[in-house]
Amino acid sequence: EAGVTQFPSHSVIEKGQTVTLRCDPISGHDNLYWYRRVMGKEIKFLLHFVKESKQDESGMPNNRFLAERTGGTYSTLKVQPAELEDSGVYFCASSPQGASTEAFFGQGTRLTVV
Amino acid sequence: GEDVEQSLFLSVREGDSSVINCTYTDSSSTYLYWYKQEPGAGLQLLTYIFSNMDMKQDQRLTVLLNKKDKHLSLRIADTQTGDSAIYFCAESPGGYNKLIFGAGTRLAVHP
Repeated sequence: EAGVTQFPSHSVIEKGQTVTLRCDPISGHDNLYWYRRVMGKEIKFLLHFVKESKQDESGMPNNRFLAERTGGTYSTLKVQPAELEDSGVYFCASSPQGASTEAFFGQGTRLTVV
Repeated sequence: GEDVEQSLFLSVREGDSSVINCTYTDSSSTYLYWYKQEPGAGLQLLTYIFSNMDMKQDQRLTVLLNKKDKHLSLRIADTQTGDSAIYFCAESPGGYNKLIFGAGTRLAVHP
């Protein structure tokens, strides 16, 4: 069974441009999470979907970030317009319905804004 | 508040034991986790401990939890070069999957 997959693995964009990151969770997992690690610091929670609904988006930095999960399957995270401080590694994770002891993480997308 | 702290770097000799320490702040966390990130890879769950336990052992890994001091440690026995990675401590406030991570401890294993 495929794990959590993220596209692209790397992205380099100029300040002011738009970038869309994609996450395909493990099939059947209702919970989907986005996290971000900036500049070697702690990994920070961004938001949590349960199926297609946003359960918790308290970690979203500002309104330049838009996350969607249409149909409750894959999710996208769009940054528009990108700023230098958005550079980092964006991780996606998924877990089955309800509370779970393990969230399965993807390999991450490394975003560099220049 | 939610804050997880860990030292940033640890260097050990191959065959020795490694101990990675972590402090957390949220006493409501049901589970506490250790994740491992190898170069170019995603986060892999190494082990976790339920908050009402003091210790958990899994092969070469031993997790110790001091709930009074909010201190968590990961001991790796007989450390190998393949253990070189970044180790993240994480707590789960409120008992669900939103994880609060530390900044990660980079473990370097040398001959």
